[in-house]
Amino acid sequence: DQQVKQNSPSLSVQEGRISILNCDYTNSMFDYFLWYKKYPAEGPTFLISISSIKDKNEDGRFTVFLNKSAKHLSLHIVPSQPGDSAVYFCAASSPPNYKLTFGKGTLLTVNP
Amino acid sequence: EPEVTQTPSHQVTQMGQEVILRCVPISNHLYFYWYRQILGQKVEFLVSFYNNEISEKSEIFDDQFSVERPDGSNFTLKIRSTKLEDSAMYFCASSDSIYNYGYTFGSGTRLTVV
Repeated sequence: DQQVKQNSPSLSVQEGRISILNCDYTNSMFDYFLWYKKYPAEGPTFLISISSIKDKNEDGRFTVFLNKSAKHLSLHIVPSQPGDSAVYFCAASSPPNYKLTFGKGTLLTVNP
Repeated sequence: EPEVTQTPSHQVTQMGQEVILRCVPISNHLYFYWYRQILGQKVEFLVSFYNNEISEKSEIFDDQFSVERPDGSNFTLKIRSTKLEDSAMYFCASSDSIYNYGYTFGSGTRLTVV
């Protein structure tokens, strides 16, 4: 039951370039989407979110795009930095309790 | 910055034993959660807790699991009779809002059942 899918288990980019992480979902009831970043031996850290009423949300170097018709969202990191190297989880939630449904994660490696 | 604190960081237990995983949520948060991540798999929702009762639980959260907020600060997850497949990272989280952007996770407890 993969309601949230991250099809790329890993991504490698050069420092300064753009990182694009993708996520697809199947549940039409999801109305809130989040990206979390996770370092080894730490818990997930909230990065950025987007409500289903928007198609873009930006916070510094991080931008999340939502395409509801395609049930697809993406996280853009520009410019990528070596400290961005981590596992990135896409998550989605829906009313009434807004529990999070996670994807399997994408390991991003930013090379100096 | 406020943190969610989890103890212990590692727990090794024998199959069939009871374990209690402890969490201290952020003090003004009202919503509490447990998630787990089996090695190599995705993070999975276990249970949410609000107003001193479970608000939602997953299929994983069977009769072997229970949660408690015994005082004003701690939030515990108990597994009564552990199984090998309970081996995972268990993450506690808390939020001041049901809408997730205030969702803070702890660093996790690695539970190993042998």
